[in-house]
Amino acid sequence: DTGVSQNPRHKITKRGQNVTFRCDPISEHNRLYWYRQTLGQGPEFLTYFQNEAQLEKSRLLSDRFSAERPKGSFSTLEIQRTEQGDSAMYLCASSLTERGAAVEQFFGPGTRLTVL
Amino acid sequence: AQSVTQLDSHVSVSEGTPVLLRCNYSSSYSPSLFWYVQHPNKGLQLLLKYTSAATLVKGINGFEAEFKKSETSFHLTKPSAHMSDAAEYFCVVSGWRQLTFGSGTQLTVLP
Repeated sequence: DTGVSQNPRHKITKRGQNVTFRCDPISEHNRLYWYRQTLGQGPEFLTYFQNEAQLEKSRLLSDRFSAERPKGSFSTLEIQRTEQGDSAMYLCASSLTERGAAVEQFFGPGTRLTVL
Repeated sequence: AQSVTQLDSHVSVSEGTPVLLRCNYSSSYSPSLFWYVQHPNKGLQLLLKYTSAATLVKGINGFEAEFKKSETSFHLTKPSAHMSDAAEYFCVVSGWRQLTFGSGTQLTVLP
């Protein structure tokens, strides 16, 4: 399967612990995005990479959230000192770069985080 | 800034009857618009996209949407619902580097 993959699919942690999620985009895609989806809501944009450069991170929810894409391939999203309010589905998407066109983003299945 | 409003959080239809999911958008420039579908425990899948070409856009599985600038709407329709259409549907507007999603419409198809 050459789609976007995310690991783990589910993560249960205790409040105050750190968690890290991984996203592997479609191999030829140079853009990678992270979103958060809470129950009953649409996905909410968090951050975005073009190759290894993080071009938008102002939407990260707090300084406890950070993301990396060290070699322009896979990406990780880390949440430090987790809180119960961080419980959500974390989605990763990837896309090509296209000028002047609506760029389709391809989504992974998500990582569901539960903070106890 | 752009935003999307999905006018119905839940829609129920009988199998074989038409589907209408309503979406209004707000954008400071000519928007690119999408509809995505999310089945339980599956990733978001693109149904169709509008990119300022034809105002009537055809997508997968018999869905289509019409862009109406005067009404700032991008409603999703299907002539005949199938049981497999039951899912959550998101209207989405594209910004410079991100997608802005509506809050979703849960479609239930009754036998």
